[in-house]
Amino acid sequence: SAVISQKPSRDICQRGTSLTIQCQVDSQVTMMFWYRQQPGQSLTLIATANQGSEATYESGFVIDKFPISRPNLTFSTLTVSNMSPEDSSIYLCSVELAAYTGELFFGEGSRLTVL
Amino acid sequence: QKEVEQNSGPLSVPEGAIASLNCTYSDRGSQSFFWYRQYSGKSPELIMFIYSNGDKEDGRFTAQLNKASQYVSLLIRDSQPSDSATYLCAVSMNSGYSTLTFGKGTMLLVSP
Repeated sequence: SAVISQKPSRDICQRGTSLTIQCQVDSQVTMMFWYRQQPGQSLTLIATANQGSEATYESGFVIDKFPISRPNLTFSTLTVSNMSPEDSSIYLCSVELAAYTGELFFGEGSRLTVL
Repeated sequence: QKEVEQNSGPLSVPEGAIASLNCTYSDRGSQSFFWYRQYSGKSPELIMFIYSNGDKEDGRFTAQLNKASQYVSLLIRDSQPSDSATYLCAVSMNSGYSTLTFGKGTMLLVSP
């Protein structure tokens, strides 16, 4: 398994502002992902964070709204830009210790509330 | 559009009973199937995965896969109150670019 630390664990934000979530893993991993879990919904993949290159975004998610950085194999950030109440959600960082297996380990999540 | 369907529940079972959780998926090309458990307020944790048709057992958990019917299930034997959680079914194409499609989950309540 892996120890995955996310910061902040929760925050209350004002409409129109941006917030950056950090994800730190205790070991080097190839695959890191960012998921969103809206109230009463399941997990939706936002993007795959690629080390040293631009993230790969899923349909419905764009870089301008969710810029992602991945400077090395243990760290990534997700920024939620120009937030609206619809962005209120739990954002989860996850890693795949064995590449391309689908066996994910998740951080504890960052619960964002946008007023 | 890939879809993974689960009954939202709650599924209520008494302690010691067998809990049966079901999942169907739309994409016939799906190769890998996962069950994650999510306690309230916590992040999901992987409990089982299955790649081949048939049954796979791990302790009190058994995953069952039927690709022809596009159906995967999770059986929990001797259910305990600590098993009360939401169980998420997830599916992957596993074609060299591994991303998961999750269902909305089934809430399981095990009563003492």
